[in-house]
Amino acid sequence: DAKTTQPPSMDCAEGRAANLPCNHSTISGNEYVYWYRQIHSQGPQYIIHGLKNNETNEMASLIITEDRKSSTLILPHATLRDTAVYYCIVTEADKLIFGTGTRLQVFP
Amino acid sequence: GAVVSQHPSRVICKSGTSVKIECRSLDFQATTMFWYRQFPKQSLMLMATSNEGSKATYEQGVEKDKFLINHASLTLSTLTVTSAHPEDSSFYICSASRTGQWGYTFGSGTRLTVV
Repeated sequence: DAKTTQPPSMDCAEGRAANLPCNHSTISGNEYVYWYRQIHSQGPQYIIHGLKNNETNEMASLIITEDRKSSTLILPHATLRDTAVYYCIVTEADKLIFGTGTRLQVFP
Repeated sequence: GAVVSQHPSRVICKSGTSVKIECRSLDFQATTMFWYRQFPKQSLMLMATSNEGSKATYEQGVEKDKFLINHASLTLSTLTVTSAHPEDSSFYICSASRTGQWGYTFGSGTRLTVV
């Protein structure tokens, strides 16, 4: 079973920030948190990953709590094309085990 | 960046026949490749892990004789669905990683329909 739990769905207005939470309370000290997203009928797309420091790239920011038991993915200015299922994943024996993810719906 | 090509993108086959799906890493050497299956409205389920030159490791409940995986080179892995049946109809996705480097790159997936 996946090590992460996420809300099943969220809505966000276009242009606003989308904040997607993830709980990973059993994460080990050397395990990374990965975020991927999947747009309908496509392969998952890498977004960002982190260990314990906050990370930012051209797509998103990742905020990891100090105890590393949870994290938040932030899409600063959501667009309609960001509508997708977002997966928060902690590797298990170097494998990506997907949970159920959060279905983000961005509306005009 | 790392690119993984998966072929074919769609395939329809008759019940009882076999289908081969290819997964290629185009600009890096993939020491490990992963195969997933995804049914409609469900998440990705890991089927097996393959390392170049060795036998694949299958997840619990996945029939190794039905889903044959070959990883003969550092850039190519294949999944063969043998004696396909309608219940094998699904979206199959591969992923590749490099030893010592972060990141898992996914292919675009193969939609298999068995009629």
